[in-house]
Amino acid sequence: SQQGEEDPQALSIQEGENATMNCSYKTSINNLQWYRQNSGRGLVHLILIRSNEREKHSGRLRVTLDTSKKSSSLLITASRAADTASYFCATDKSGGSYIPTFGRGTSLIVHP
Amino acid sequence: ETGVTQSPTHLIKTRGQQVTLRCSSQSGHNTVSWYQQALGQGPQFIFQYYREEENGRGNFPPRFSGLQFPNYSSELNVNALELDDSALYLCASSWTGTAYEQFFGPGTRLTVL
Repeated sequence: SQQGEEDPQALSIQEGENATMNCSYKTSINNLQWYRQNSGRGLVHLILIRSNEREKHSGRLRVTLDTSKKSSSLLITASRAADTASYFCATDKSGGSYIPTFGRGTSLIVHP
Repeated sequence: ETGVTQSPTHLIKTRGQQVTLRCSSQSGHNTVSWYQQALGQGPQFIFQYYREEENGRGNFPPRFSGLQFPNYSSELNVNALELDDSALYLCASSWTGTAYEQFFGPGTRLTVL
């Protein structure tokens, strides 16, 4: 079953614009991570945010976490055509070994 | 530092057959996890191995089995293949101390006809 659900399912923007995608989850978590996947290949880890953190930055990426709403957002600023990919959030539940649960992903297309 | 590798890249099997997929962990990693990703879906956790023992399992039937070897490489075996087993199979390796930092291989695309 899917713990996390990304929204929107698909996003199409122009190069230079910002892209925001959201993730909602159901149970208390230890960590939430965002991954990128190009064309059905392996996943690339982007950023991890712990349950006691509210915001993290990495280059053009900004992630927020609201544990009261059980939601997270990923913002990609000044998007590039190379950012075209699917983006997934993954959560691992509190109190257990690390077994991440992925959402269905957001498909991002950045037009040059 | 060698990344995670998987073989084969693509595989076509017929229903009822058996398949073995292989994964070579990143150097220094002692934990490997396997995921199934159907088209248009997110990865689904199959199981995880740590020190050659299964360390957690997702909602997959027993015909999905695995092995981890002393060099931390791993195999995923699937018996009695079904059409719904068609998917991208991903393995990811990590170090116990930072289990959440998983490094994924490129995947094996399995097609069951």
